[in-house]
Amino acid sequence: GDSVTQMEGPVTLSEEAFLTINCTYTATGYPSLFWYVQYPGEGLQLLLKATKADDKGSNKGFEATYRKETTSFHLEKGSVQVSDSAVYFCALSRTGFQKLVFGTGTRLLVSP
Amino acid sequence: NAGVTQTPKFRILKIGQSMTLQCAQDMNHNYMYWYRQDPGMGLKLIYYSVGAGITDKGEVPNGYNVSRSTTEDFPLRLELAAPSQTSVYFCASSYGQNNEQFFGPGTRLTVL
Repeated sequence: GDSVTQMEGPVTLSEEAFLTINCTYTATGYPSLFWYVQYPGEGLQLLLKATKADDKGSNKGFEATYRKETTSFHLEKGSVQVSDSAVYFCALSRTGFQKLVFGTGTRLLVSP
Repeated sequence: NAGVTQTPKFRILKIGQSMTLQCAQDMNHNYMYWYRQDPGMGLKLIYYSVGAGITDKGEVPNGYNVSRSTTEDFPLRLELAAPSQTSVYFCASSYGQNNEQFFGPGTRLTVL
């Protein structure tokens, strides 16, 4: 079945450091790929998405590129801030299927 | 525009008790979902609904029931609470099956 694998956390960085959170997926066909972010005490919010191979999703300085050849959708940010501290979830959905398949989440901690 | 709201925020139940988790959205979304999030795990879909009067099972429906009498409301019912149902429950909604899902803030449930 469909699955999403994320790197385990926590990822601990200093402010202004470069961030990469790895995400790989297994799915038949051509899924859409998403990154959701969960700030402490809140629900998940969509951060960015990509719907086809080689698409790049971007938002708030975060980027991820849909790589079909490596079945990956790694999240990157050039310079993290303390306010980016949160849990990040990679997810996929297949056309015609009414559900998101989530990875286990990666906690990011950014210190001043 | 409140988005997706959930009540209560926290609840402790004894084994065998029942309760209803409330979820409402004011965005006129036709799709609504219930997920559970266990520690260190991704979100798992419990039930979903594609419109008023229509519901279907997700990955982990056992021990739960839902109803959708209006577009706005999608309550989740636990009939005989068990310790395995200790989790954080998230309600979400979307306009269409492949569009962004908007999440509520969650309900943290403990069954002792």
